Amino acid sequence: EADIYQTPRYLVIGTGKKITLECSQTMGHDKMYWYQQDPGMELHLIHYSYGVNSTEKGDLSSESTVSRIRTEHFPLTLESARPSHTSQYLCASSVISAGEYNEQFFGPGTRLTVL
Amino acid sequence: GQQVMQIPQYQHVQEGEDFTTYCNSSTTLSNIQWYKQRPGGHPVFLIQLVKSGEVKKQKRLTFQFGEAKKNSSLHITATQTTDVGTYFCAGPRGSGNTGKLIFGQGTTLQVKP
Repeated sequence: EADIYQTPRYLVIGTGKKITLECSQTMGHDKMYWYQQDPGMELHLIHYSYGVNSTEKGDLSSESTVSRIRTEHFPLTLESARPSHTSQYLCASSVISAGEYNEQFFGPGTRLTVL
Repeated sequence: GQQVMQIPQYQHVQEGEDFTTYCNSSTTLSNIQWYKQRPGGHPVFLIQLVKSGEVKKQKRLTFQFGEAKKNSSLHITATQTTDVGTYFCAGPRGSGNTGKLIFGQGTTLQVKP
């Protein structure tokens, strides 16, 4: 079982609040990802990090920001939450090994509801 | 741009029936991965296929990678209620070894007992 954790698991918050979604992994993986997923729908990559102090935006435009100060920690921040941000946010990590094997390990997700 | 398409989007089967989901990529893939997401859960890696024409089995699940490395399928024999969930295929996004994946839209399987 992968050691990747997300907190909180559920968050209900009012419009305009600042929130930080936490993601930590204990596997020493260099690469980490944030996905946004609506129920039963596809995963959209919103942020990617290939190591400490390296982050880039994903394919789906997001008003959130991320930081990667430590290998194991990849928090996502929304400065001002809006109802359109209501979704599930999944954090994942992976390591590239020989043969391009890049299985991603997912955290349990944070279900965010913005009222 | 690069696309990965899955069909069908939904499938309802009676327990004991077989189930197949198909995955098609707009580009040749170096490998393809399959994930399963249970209702309310998170995606969990099932398998990776690398070779052209490769076939791998996990108990009642059979995975195939097409000869041209642009399509793949997952077949479940004699479905059980524990098979319920959404199955995603995913391939490397772009060129290079970034680790980024592009996921299909998923096929949601419902199994009636």
